[in-house]
Amino acid sequence: DQQVKQNSPSLSVQEGRISILNCDYTNSMFDYFLWYKKYPAEGPTFLISISSIKDKNEDGRFTVFLNKSAKHLSLHIVPSQPGDSAVYFCAAGGNEKLTFGTGTRLTIIP
Amino acid sequence: NAGVTQTPKFQVLKTGQSMTLQCAQDMNHEYMSWYRQDPGMGLRLIHYSVGAGITDQGEVPNGYNVSRSTTEDFPLRLLSAAPSQTSVYFCASSYGQDGYTFGSGTRLTVV
Repeated sequence: DQQVKQNSPSLSVQEGRISILNCDYTNSMFDYFLWYKKYPAEGPTFLISISSIKDKNEDGRFTVFLNKSAKHLSLHIVPSQPGDSAVYFCAAGGNEKLTFGTGTRLTIIP
Repeated sequence: NAGVTQTPKFQVLKTGQSMTLQCAQDMNHEYMSWYRQDPGMGLRLIHYSVGAGITDQGEVPNGYNVSRSTTEDFPLRLLSAAPSQTSVYFCASSYGQDGYTFGSGTRLTVV
């Protein structure tokens, strides 16, 4: 039973445009949501997070939106840059452990 | 400040062999976890620990054992390696919800 789902395995976006990555979850007990970025042959690195009491969190070019009623979150990257090409994982949970989605490979086209 | 250190980076095992994947963190984090990454499956939690002496099972614990005798170290033991355990393994540590730091991974092949 996949509690965190990323239904788009891949996404291609022109450089300078907006990239939107989506994530759905089923467990209403999750109280924290995170996005991680992963380059090949490296470990995932933390990008941005949002608490369940908020609906938006912004950090530079990255914004995460949370819609609790729809159990849906999204990551917006504006403007997209070539260095943003990576696999993005959404994750949900709390302090003790995280449940990850299957990832979306983002490719930024110059 | 090394962060999370995993050794070895690569390993090939024969079916039935046992081995230990090492993980050490120098950030005094309470929480540590082991994940495996497989194509199309994302990162799946194997075992986790909320402090020295305390461990619990994650989503895919079968065939793996862990212990946490110190805050710094969280080794993962493969008891009898199987081809299904071929994967990339990541260790992570955290002080709280924003602080999950991952190691660079161990690529394990079981033949």
